[in-house]
Amino acid sequence: KAGVTQTPRYLIKTRGQQVTLSCSPISGHRSVSWYQQTPGQGLQFLFEYFSETQRNKGNFPGRFSGRQFSNSRSEMNVSTLELGDSALYLCASSPGQGVNYGYTFGSGTRLTVV
Amino acid sequence: KNEVEQSPQNLTAQEGEFITINCSYSVGISALHWLQQHPGGGIVSLFMLSSGKKKHGRLIATINIQEKHSSLHITASHPRDSAVYICAPDDKIIFGKGTRLHILP
Repeated sequence: KAGVTQTPRYLIKTRGQQVTLSCSPISGHRSVSWYQQTPGQGLQFLFEYFSETQRNKGNFPGRFSGRQFSNSRSEMNVSTLELGDSALYLCASSPGQGVNYGYTFGSGTRLTVV
Repeated sequence: KNEVEQSPQNLTAQEGEFITINCSYSVGISALHWLQQHPGGGIVSLFMLSSGKKKHGRLIATINIQEKHSSLHITASHPRDSAVYICAPDDKIIFGKGTRLHILP
């Protein structure tokens, strides 16, 4: 059974550009969550999608957005990149929504903004 | 907002030692997750527990919902256990800062 797939694995972008990251969940999983991880802040929640609807959003500026497609695949977009956006971006998929479901992480996309 | 505190932040131990990592949180929850992250980034979910104790191999996780506290224990620690361990109370939204564990051979 395939795991959670994130593409690309590595990305280098210039300040001011925009970027789109992709996450394909485990087959049958309908919930996808996105996280930003930096050495200083640890893991921080960005947003969660379930059945193509954003169910929860973390405390990030509007430059961070996402969506989920009917096949549960999800994308996140960061516009007008800043140096501080350099981080590991992780997605996790879960069979359902709620605290009592386990979740599986992808390997992440490491974004470097120069 | 749920405040999460993990201790210790860093831990170095000799192979074979018994390891304990603690997680305290401020707001009542119904379940808590323990995660493991090896160098390179990949995160693995170790446990999800809502009461009592769970065991998987050499790893044991306990939780006291009333006291808002959970512990992760590693028996007979091994260098391959070297990783960052993160607790996540609440609904996959709040995380501890992690405990960086280094086991020396």
